[in-house]
Amino acid sequence: QSVLTQPPSVSGAPGQRVTISCTGSSSNIGTGYDVHWHQQLPGTAPKLLIYGNNNRPSGVPDRFSGSKSGTSASLAITGLQAEDEADYYCQSYDSMSGHVVFGGGTKLTVL
Amino acid sequence: QLQLQESGPGLVKASETLSLSCAVSGGSISTGNYYWGWIRQPPGEGLEWIGNIYYSGITYYNPSLESRVTISIDTSKNQFSLKLSSVTAADTAVYYCASFLRSGSKFDYWGQGTLVTVSS
Repeated sequence: QSVLTQPPSVSGAPGQRVTISCTGSSSNIGTGYDVHWHQQLPGTAPKLLIYGNNNRPSGVPDRFSGSKSGTSASLAITGLQAEDEADYYCQSYDSMSGHVVFGGGTKLTVL
Repeated sequence: QLQLQESGPGLVKASETLSLSCAVSGGSISTGNYYWGWIRQPPGEGLEWIGNIYYSGITYYNPSLESRVTISIDTSKNQFSLKLSSVTAADTAVYYCASFLRSGSKFDYWGQGTLVTVSS
Protein backbone atom coordinates (compact mmCIF):
# COMPACT_ATOMS: atom_id res chain seq x y z
CA GLN A 1 0.00 0.00 0.00
CA SER A 2 1.68 3.18 -1.21
CA VAL A 3 1.54 6.39 0.80
CA LEU A 4 0.63 8.25 -2.39
CA THR A 5 -2.33 6.87 -4.38
CA GLN A 6 -2.38 6.73 -8.17
CA PRO A 7 -4.80 5.01 -10.56
CA PRO A 8 -3.27 1.75 -11.79
CA SER A 9 -3.92 2.59 -15.43
CA VAL A 10 -5.13 5.27 -17.82
CA SER A 11 -5.46 5.27 -21.58
CA GLY A 12 -6.07 7.63 -24.45
CA ALA A 13 -5.95 7.86 -28.20
CA PRO A 14 -3.18 9.67 -30.04
CA GLY A 15 -3.65 13.42 -29.89
CA GLN A 16 -5.89 13.29 -26.83
CA ARG A 17 -5.27 14.66 -23.34
CA VAL A 18 -4.94 12.45 -20.30
CA THR A 19 -4.41 13.19 -16.64
CA ILE A 20 -2.93 11.07 -13.86
CA SER A 21 -3.80 11.87 -10.27
CA CYS A 22 -1.64 11.46 -7.17
CA THR A 23 -3.44 11.66 -3.84
CA GLY A 24 -1.60 12.11 -0.59
CA SER A 25 -2.40 13.44 2.86
CA SER A 26 -1.79 16.24 5.29
CA SER A 27 1.58 14.76 6.23
CA ASN A 28 3.05 14.88 2.72
CA ILE A 29 1.54 16.76 -0.23
CA GLY A 30 -0.85 18.66 2.03
CA THR A 31 2.00 19.95 4.21
CA GLY A 32 3.48 21.74 1.23
CA TYR A 33 6.11 19.29 0.08
CA ASP A 34 6.72 19.37 -3.64
CA VAL A 35 5.46 16.61 -5.92
CA HIS A 36 7.68 15.24 -8.65
CA TRP A 37 6.84 12.91 -11.51
CA HIS A 38 9.05 10.22 -12.99
CA GLN A 39 8.51 8.52 -16.34
CA GLN A 40 9.60 4.92 -16.83
CA LEU A 41 9.60 3.79 -20.45
CA PRO A 42 9.38 0.02 -20.98
CA GLY A 43 12.55 -1.75 -19.94
CA THR A 44 14.35 1.40 -18.82
CA ALA A 45 15.16 3.27 -15.63
CA PRO A 46 12.85 6.01 -14.37
CA LYS A 47 13.57 9.55 -15.50
CA LEU A 48 12.58 12.81 -13.83
CA LEU A 49 9.74 14.27 -15.89
CA ILE A 50 8.26 17.05 -13.72
CA TYR A 51 9.79 18.57 -10.60
CA GLY A 52 8.56 21.04 -8.04
CA ASN A 53 4.92 20.35 -8.93
CA ASN A 54 4.96 22.00 -12.35
CA ASN A 55 8.50 22.42 -13.71
CA ARG A 56 10.01 20.54 -16.65
CA PRO A 57 13.70 19.58 -16.81
CA SER A 58 15.48 20.60 -19.97
CA GLY A 59 14.42 18.43 -22.90
CA VAL A 60 10.98 17.47 -21.62
CA PRO A 61 8.28 18.54 -24.11
CA ASP A 62 5.76 21.13 -22.99
CA ARG A 63 3.04 18.56 -23.67
CA PHE A 64 3.76 17.43 -20.12
CA SER A 65 2.58 19.59 -17.24
CA GLY A 66 1.95 19.21 -13.54
CA SER A 67 -0.24 20.82 -10.94
CA LYS A 68 -0.88 20.56 -7.23
CA SER A 69 -3.78 21.50 -5.02
CA GLY A 70 -4.36 20.64 -1.40
CA THR A 71 -3.40 17.03 -0.77
CA SER A 72 -3.35 16.03 -4.44
CA ALA A 73 -1.33 16.53 -7.58
CA SER A 74 -1.88 15.77 -11.24
CA LEU A 75 0.17 15.10 -14.33
CA ALA A 76 -1.37 16.12 -17.64
CA ILE A 77 -0.21 14.98 -21.05
CA THR A 78 -1.64 16.71 -24.11
CA GLY A 79 -1.28 15.70 -27.75
CA LEU A 80 -0.74 12.10 -26.69
CA GLN A 81 1.88 10.22 -28.70
CA ALA A 82 2.70 6.53 -28.95
CA GLU A 83 6.09 7.20 -27.37
CA ASP A 84 4.36 8.42 -24.20
CA GLU A 85 3.32 4.86 -23.38
CA ALA A 86 5.06 4.25 -20.08
CA ASP A 87 4.64 3.96 -16.32
CA TYR A 88 4.39 7.22 -14.40
CA TYR A 89 5.23 7.64 -10.70
CA CYS A 90 4.64 10.57 -8.39
CA GLN A 91 7.14 11.18 -5.58
CA SER A 92 7.12 13.42 -2.54
CA TYR A 93 8.29 13.57 1.07
CA ASP A 94 6.39 12.60 4.19
CA SER A 95 6.92 14.65 7.33
CA MET A 96 5.33 12.07 9.59
CA SER A 97 7.85 9.41 8.71
CA GLY A 98 10.62 11.70 7.54
CA HIS A 99 10.99 9.64 4.44
CA VAL A 100 10.70 9.66 0.67
CA VAL A 101 7.40 8.36 -0.66
CA PHE A 102 6.33 7.13 -4.09
CA GLY A 103 2.94 6.54 -5.64
CA GLY A 104 2.12 3.04 -6.79
CA GLY A 105 2.56 4.00 -10.43
CA THR A 106 0.17 4.45 -13.36
CA LYS A 107 0.49 2.60 -16.64
CA LEU A 108 -0.39 4.82 -19.59
CA THR A 109 -1.62 3.01 -22.69
CA VAL A 110 -1.85 4.85 -25.98
CA LEU A 111 -4.69 3.24 -27.90
CA GLN B 1 25.28 16.19 -15.45
CA LEU B 2 25.56 13.39 -12.96
CA GLN B 3 25.87 9.77 -14.06
CA LEU B 4 25.34 6.83 -11.73
CA GLN B 5 26.21 3.19 -12.33
CA GLU B 6 25.26 0.24 -10.16
CA SER B 7 27.44 -2.84 -9.84
CA GLY B 8 27.33 -6.09 -7.93
CA PRO B 9 26.29 -9.74 -8.08
CA GLY B 10 23.14 -10.52 -10.03
CA LEU B 11 22.42 -13.64 -8.01
CA VAL B 12 22.32 -13.97 -4.23
CA LYS B 13 21.38 -16.99 -2.16
CA ALA B 14 18.51 -16.80 0.27
CA SER B 15 19.52 -15.82 3.84
CA GLU B 16 22.73 -14.19 2.60
CA THR B 17 23.58 -10.50 2.20
CA LEU B 18 22.97 -8.53 -0.99
CA SER B 19 25.76 -6.02 -1.71
CA LEU B 20 25.70 -3.35 -4.40
CA SER B 21 27.78 -0.30 -5.20
CA CYS B 22 26.96 2.86 -7.09
CA ALA B 23 29.70 4.82 -8.83
CA VAL B 24 29.01 8.52 -9.32
CA SER B 25 30.58 10.53 -12.13
CA GLY B 26 30.10 14.05 -13.42
CA GLY B 27 30.23 15.53 -9.95
CA SER B 28 31.51 15.06 -6.42
CA ILE B 29 29.64 12.81 -4.03
CA SER B 30 30.78 15.16 -1.27
CA THR B 31 28.65 18.05 -2.47
CA GLY B 32 26.29 19.22 0.21
CA ASN B 33 23.53 19.69 -2.34
CA TYR B 34 22.73 15.99 -2.57
CA TYR B 35 21.75 12.90 -0.73
CA TRP B 36 22.40 9.59 -2.47
CA GLY B 37 19.67 7.00 -2.60
CA TRP B 38 18.69 3.44 -3.35
CA ILE B 39 15.32 2.44 -4.80
CA ARG B 40 14.15 -1.01 -5.86
CA GLN B 41 11.47 -2.39 -8.16
CA PRO B 42 10.29 -6.01 -7.92
CA PRO B 43 9.38 -7.55 -11.29
CA GLY B 44 6.10 -6.09 -12.53
CA GLU B 45 5.69 -3.86 -9.48
CA GLY B 46 6.23 -0.24 -8.49
CA LEU B 47 9.13 1.69 -7.01
CA GLU B 48 10.09 1.26 -3.36
CA TRP B 49 12.44 3.69 -1.65
CA ILE B 50 15.13 1.88 0.37
CA GLY B 51 17.11 4.74 1.87
CA ASN B 52 19.33 7.78 1.43
CA ILE B 53 22.77 8.78 2.67
CA TYR B 54 24.46 12.17 2.98
CA TYR B 55 28.17 12.64 2.33
CA SER B 56 28.69 12.99 6.09
CA GLY B 57 27.32 9.49 6.61
CA ILE B 58 23.88 10.45 7.90
CA THR B 59 21.36 7.86 6.75
CA TYR B 60 17.59 7.59 6.37
CA TYR B 61 15.97 4.22 5.81
CA ASN B 62 12.55 2.92 4.85
CA PRO B 63 11.09 1.62 8.13
CA SER B 64 9.98 -1.59 6.45
CA LEU B 65 13.60 -2.46 5.59
CA GLU B 66 15.53 -0.62 8.29
CA SER B 67 16.41 -3.69 10.34
CA ARG B 68 18.20 -5.29 7.36
CA VAL B 69 19.63 -2.31 5.45
CA THR B 70 22.98 -0.55 5.65
CA ILE B 71 23.93 2.24 3.26
CA SER B 72 27.49 3.54 3.37
CA ILE B 73 29.52 6.08 1.44
CA ASP B 74 33.14 6.26 0.28
CA THR B 75 33.96 9.81 -0.69
CA SER B 76 37.50 8.87 -1.76
CA LYS B 77 36.05 6.59 -4.43
CA ASN B 78 33.05 8.79 -5.20
CA GLN B 79 30.69 5.91 -4.60
CA PHE B 80 28.13 4.65 -2.15
CA SER B 81 26.92 1.17 -1.31
CA LEU B 82 23.95 -0.89 -0.21
CA LYS B 83 23.87 -3.97 1.95
CA LEU B 84 20.65 -5.89 2.55
CA SER B 85 20.92 -8.84 4.91
CA SER B 86 18.92 -12.04 5.30
CA VAL B 87 17.46 -11.81 1.82
CA THR B 88 14.48 -13.84 0.62
CA ALA B 89 12.77 -14.26 -2.75
CA ALA B 90 10.75 -11.13 -1.94
CA ASP B 91 13.96 -9.11 -2.29
CA THR B 92 14.32 -10.06 -5.95
CA ALA B 93 14.15 -6.76 -7.80
CA VAL B 94 15.87 -4.26 -10.03
CA TYR B 95 17.91 -2.04 -7.72
CA TYR B 96 18.48 1.58 -8.74
CA CYS B 97 20.80 4.16 -7.28
CA ALA B 98 19.89 7.80 -7.74
CA SER B 99 20.91 11.31 -6.74
CA PHE B 100 18.49 13.08 -4.38
CA LEU B 101 18.65 16.84 -4.62
CA ARG B 102 18.05 18.42 -1.23
CA SER B 103 16.41 21.44 -2.79
CA GLY B 104 12.94 20.17 -3.47
CA SER B 105 13.64 16.67 -2.15
CA LYS B 106 13.66 14.99 -5.54
CA PHE B 107 15.51 12.20 -7.33
CA ASP B 108 16.93 13.90 -10.38
CA TYR B 109 19.36 11.39 -11.88
CA TRP B 110 18.99 7.62 -11.91
CA GLY B 111 21.34 4.76 -12.62
CA GLN B 112 20.32 2.21 -15.23
CA GLY B 113 19.46 -0.35 -12.56
CA THR B 114 20.71 -3.84 -11.85
CA LEU B 115 18.59 -6.97 -11.46
CA VAL B 116 19.31 -8.99 -8.34
CA THR B 117 17.71 -12.41 -8.11
CA VAL B 118 17.52 -14.26 -4.81
CA SER B 119 17.78 -18.00 -5.26
CA SER B 120 16.82 -20.70 -2.85
